[in-house]
Amino acid sequence: GQGVEQPAKLMSVEGTFARVNCTYSTSGFNGLSWYQQREGQAPVFLSYVVLDGLKDSGHFSTFLSRSNGYSYLLLTELQIKDSASYLCAVRDQGYNQGKLIFGQGTKLSIKP
Amino acid sequence: EAAVTQSPRSKVAVTGGKVTLSCHQTNNHDYMYWYRQDTGHGLRLIHYSYVADSTEKGDIPDGYKASRPSQENFSLILELASLSQTAVYFCASSDEGRNSDYTFGSGTRLLVI
Repeated sequence: GQGVEQPAKLMSVEGTFARVNCTYSTSGFNGLSWYQQREGQAPVFLSYVVLDGLKDSGHFSTFLSRSNGYSYLLLTELQIKDSASYLCAVRDQGYNQGKLIFGQGTKLSIKP
Repeated sequence: EAAVTQSPRSKVAVTGGKVTLSCHQTNNHDYMYWYRQDTGHGLRLIHYSYVADSTEKGDIPDGYKASRPSQENFSLILELASLSQTAVYFCASSDEGRNSDYTFGSGTRLLVI
């Protein structure tokens, strides 16, 4: 069926890295976005990708493989403040081109 | 600063009562959306709008109505609130809806008892 899937939880260690995976199966594809959501707060936009490959944005990098319906968000040099949920969202295609389909989010916990 | 403002921040409603959630944006965006967020389900789209005086059904519209009286304002209406509608509701706006990111409001925490 159609949807966006993410693991519910992920743990890592301060100073290392974390990779948040996202797989999707949708009727159309017009880009994929990543959002960060801290506990009790609104999601905040991090990155948008529409072409295959790695997009390096410093602390955050994103990878996309359209043929595999797969993306990941890579966080490097982790800090405790990076502890949050990370939401993957696929932009549908066609008439409703603005509509985002969200995954359930991955809660990233970072230990000292 | 461009923003999306939701009101109220939280609300307790009685089963069968009417609830109206309001959203106001100063981004000059054409697109507005209402999502609900539940643990384990992520964000699910309820209703959205491309232009004033027009609304579209999202993925889970049952039990909800929407109203877009102007470009800046978008309301979500629960005519007969039910226990299953307890959730956090987020409003968002975006420009042209194509490659732009969403700007979210701070959310409304709704408890139906």
